[in-house]
Amino acid sequence: GAGVSQSPSNKVTEKGKDVELRCDPISGHTALYWYRQRLGQGLEFLIYFQGNSAPDKSGLPSDRFSAERTGESVSTLTIQRTQQEDSAVYLCASSFDSLYYGYTFGSGTRLTVV
Amino acid sequence: DAKTTQPNSMESNEEEPVHLPCNHSTISGTDYIHWYRQLPSQGPEYVIHGLTSNVNNRMASLAIAEDRKSSTLILHRATLRDAAVYYCILRDVNYGGSQGNLIFGKGTKLSVKP
Repeated sequence: GAGVSQSPSNKVTEKGKDVELRCDPISGHTALYWYRQRLGQGLEFLIYFQGNSAPDKSGLPSDRFSAERTGESVSTLTIQRTQQEDSAVYLCASSFDSLYYGYTFGSGTRLTVV
Repeated sequence: DAKTTQPNSMESNEEEPVHLPCNHSTISGTDYIHWYRQLPSQGPEYVIHGLTSNVNNRMASLAIAEDRKSSTLILHRATLRDAAVYYCILRDVNYGGSQGNLIFGKGTKLSVKP
């Protein structure tokens, strides 16, 4: 597709369950970012992938959060033992180059932990 | 440690120009000025970016002050679809990885009246 695709678009899960969120970046984009946006709040950086380099995980809020990316393709964000405070929209963005180009964001996955 | 300052909200009338201000008095020589917008229930969308010279694209114009301590995003003819939160972000291209990441503040919520 022409844009960044995220799935599922909505996810409701019970507290304590694990969830996996998926991001399909634009083909050829070497950089991929995950952000979190709580209701009415700004975007929080979570993790960054650039090509085959080690990811920058400095924004992950706890060890319950992890992410993987296979080469320059699909990325998955996993949240283990979900808590109610994990409820948010999780946004993925990709870019050709992390320094000079703008990001293209997906529409996000709205996660609700009940 | 927000590096940009924007008004919380602005109002505009449809079909009139809109000037969205951004102050960045501590900007460094290698900071690019990026603008994104976020429409309701969507991920952010890249609008424009620049370093020193004014920039134009199909979406908007970016006017950068000569001392680079402020900039203005100009929507030449606002439409109802332009109602969104507009983010002004500095990005230092001297840093690799997520040190050059986009850090989103609270932005300016633009309302457009018919």
